[in-house]
Parts: sequence; structure tokens; C-alpha cells
Amino acid sequence: EVQLVESGGGLVQPGGSLRLSCAASGFTFSSYWMSWVRQAPGKGLEWVANIKQDGSEKYYVDSVKGRFTISRDNAKNSLYLQMNSLRAEDTAVYYCASASGYFDYWGQGTLVTVSS
Amino acid sequence: EIVMTQSPATLSVSPGERATLSCRASQSVSSNLAWYQQKPGQAPRLLIYGASTRATGIPARFSGSGSGTEFTLTISSLQSEDFAVYYCQQYNNWPPLWTFGQGTKVEIK
Repeated sequence: EVQLVESGGGLVQPGGSLRLSCAASGFTFSSYWMSWVRQAPGKGLEWVANIKQDGSEKYYVDSVKGRFTISRDNAKNSLYLQMNSLRAEDTAVYYCASASGYFDYWGQGTLVTVSS
Repeated sequence: EIVMTQSPATLSVSPGERATLSCRASQSVSSNLAWYQQKPGQAPRLLIYGASTRATGIPARFSGSGSGTEFTLTISSLQSEDFAVYYCQQYNNWPPLWTFGQGTKVEIK
């Protein structure tokens, strides 16, 4: 059974940092692009970042470029999102997802709240 | 950026009726279009990819059609478990900067 389990969310002040993790199991993690997708409270879905199988290519939505960094550790079947200089508008549930262009599998999400 | 526009924002349908949801792309995305279902408090679930291919385990009452800039998701006979929000997503461009539509809520009439 495919499982993606996010962790690391929480309450952080504006300007602060947070690192999200996603533990993958039940599929060949190293064979997939992986992504982070977020959803602000009561809003729609927004793709945030992609990373290639070997980590050699990374792409970001414009609103997080220079602030967020996606990374992965294939030996640990894990995906990460380092979020710096957080803003109120980054408040959202963050999902990790396997990516074949479309998002095959999703985690249950972790809530990030940016507030003073 | 490819902008995806879904219509209507809300669709009121009676159980057993047919629902037709639309998704339009600001430029051609070929058949690189997916549909997702999301219920309250849950992660999205992949329904359709390649514009018309059902994902594993998705019932046959869900069907997708279209190519280029105009796409449709049809639910042939709505069941109680189908009332949810539906999103389309394009994955055609390179670099892979993928975008979602704003969603269509299917509610009980």
C-alpha cells in the first residue's frame, strides 16, 4: 500500500522558518518526481514545488522562489520542504504527492500556520 | 503561466442525475489534463489523467473528455459519495510548472 506521511507543520511567526518532511513507502520512491502542493484554508489547490528523481532538477511556483527549497533523500525514502521567510499567505495545508505530471498519490497533509 | 478556469463554481445536482463539469486552459495543454476529487478534511484523490483515462479503482460513472483547451468531467449518475469539490490540473508545460483550476463544488440539490 502506498503511504505518504507528512510531518513538521505548526505555528510559526512571520519571517520564521519551518522544515516539512514526507516519509514515503509502498512504492519505488526513487523512480518518481515528487511535489509539494498546498491549500490555504477554504481555498483551492496550488502546486508549490517539484523535484526530479535524482534531485538534479527543482522547480517552484513564483511566490515561493528564493524562500522555499525542496529536497529529497532517496536512501531514506523522504521528501523535504525547507520554508524560510514565511509570510501570512503561506498559511496552508501542505501535501506531498508523487508526480507523474499528474499527482498519483497524496499524503494526508500537514498544517502550517504563519501568525504572530 | 497556463491559467485553468473551471465552471461552474457550484453545481447543484440531485442524486442519480448527471453532472457535467468544465475546465478551460488559457493555451493548449494537449491531453495533459487530470481531474481530482476532494472531500472535506481529506486529501485530493486522482480520478482521471491523460484527459480521459480513469485512475485505478475509479468507478466507470466518472468519465473525462476533451483536448487542447476544453475539457469535461462527467459523472453519469451521482451517488451520495460523489458530492465533493473537483479540480482540474494541467501538466503539459516545460519546465514543469503545473497549475490547478479553482475547483467546482458539486452539492446536493
